Amino acid sequence: TQLLEQSPQFLSIQEGENLTVYCNSSSVFSSLQWYRQEPGEGPVLLVTVVTGGEVKKLKRLTFQFGDARKDSSLHITAAQPGDTGLYLCAGLAWDKIIFGKGTRLHILP
Amino acid sequence: EAGVAQSPRYKIIEKRQSVAFWCNPISGHATLYWYQQILGQGPKLLIQFQNNGVVDDSQLPKDRFSAERLKGVDSTLKIQPAKLEDSAVYLCASSLVLLAGGWGAKNIQYFGAGTRLSVL
Repeated sequence: TQLLEQSPQFLSIQEGENLTVYCNSSSVFSSLQWYRQEPGEGPVLLVTVVTGGEVKKLKRLTFQFGDARKDSSLHITAAQPGDTGLYLCAGLAWDKIIFGKGTRLHILP
Repeated sequence: EAGVAQSPRYKIIEKRQSVAFWCNPISGHATLYWYQQILGQGPKLLIQFQNNGVVDDSQLPKDRFSAERLKGVDSTLKIQPAKLEDSAVYLCASSLVLLAGGWGAKNIQYFGAGTRLSVL
């Protein structure tokens, strides 16, 4: 059974700080996606990474796919209260999509 | 462009009752997904349709859950009878193509806001 482990589960930091959240698996995925979900809403796709070692930037967010395509990280620089939410990673295999449990991030003003 | 529409937004039922959820995907999206998201967890895929055919329903508890996508557009998910552990948010998503397969920019699924089900 393929599993995606996300860490930490919860993170509460002050505005302006940097943070990194992780998504790890023992399985190889063809691609990996990161989503952000706000209360009462569905997840919204932030990025898809496909190639091992790939790095993508979205303003203050930097996403990296591990060389072996088993893990990924999301780094946020100078976090802002608007970054608060549930961050989910999802691994895509040939015919499956598997979500991690998410990291709940709270940025304190 | 209209997003994925789901109804109802909230539903409270007693155990052993039946319930149905409705989803209208984004126009032109061939693929539709139903997910179950239990509090504190990530979404779990229940079933995916390509047009009106089932691609994968391996995680759908078929003794009580059923889903259909007649005419390849709208879809309904039914639970009969409901159990306490079915309390969750049921999310519908749609995409132009199947997610797996590396279709690049088309490889995006759009989620609805979900239906929050409470089984008492």
